[in-house]
Amino acid sequence: ETGVTQTPRHLVMGMTNKKSLKCEQHLGHNAMYWYKQSAKKPLELMFVYNFKEQTENNSVPSRFSPECPNSSHLFLHLHTLQPEDSALYLCASRWNSYEQYFGPGTRLTVT
Amino acid sequence: DQQVKQNSPSLSVQEGRISILNCDYTNSMFDYFLWYKKYPAEGPTFLISISSIKDKNEDGRFTVFLNKSAKHLSLHIVPSQPGDSAVYFCAASGGHNTNAGKSTFGDGTTLTVKP
Repeated sequence: ETGVTQTPRHLVMGMTNKKSLKCEQHLGHNAMYWYKQSAKKPLELMFVYNFKEQTENNSVPSRFSPECPNSSHLFLHLHTLQPEDSALYLCASRWNSYEQYFGPGTRLTVT
Repeated sequence: DQQVKQNSPSLSVQEGRISILNCDYTNSMFDYFLWYKKYPAEGPTFLISISSIKDKNEDGRFTVFLNKSAKHLSLHIVPSQPGDSAVYFCAASGGHNTNAGKSTFGDGTTLTVKP
């Protein structure tokens, strides 16, 4: 596999469930990002990791918990979500330039 | 306060004609600008970028123009092809974003190229 992969591609969960989103990049990049894209809104940056260290938490509620065990993997742990958290969650990675490489996203529906 | 704005949610163009997508920004600290293209069920893919030291960058059918005084950039696609139909995002980086490599994105413009 090449590029940035995300699993699962679709997820339906209840408000009391706990689930995790996974992102993996095969590009040798050193920075990874989580974004949220809601309908008719711009991409909202959630978290940034540089060399496995979290460098940005964009005022994200604690029901979203990121984890970056190494520079190739990024997780987003979800618990007690709200229906308004339903969105497309995108992972991206970057090396030294500004260009980011995105995964296909996970379409999350909270019921 | 949205720092990057794409005021046209959608644009429809005939195949072979020029597509012009616009983007405005408010933060004068931005010094690098990017355009991404997104197809349904896929993540955005990088298309073209421009540094603030330039006012034009061209790559094949795609050209980005930057007007710093107006805080405006545009993406020109000539000639437009049906395969160009997608959502186009404008993004801006720089200033306090530099160290984290952060980009601020616009809402996106949906381009439809009709055969």
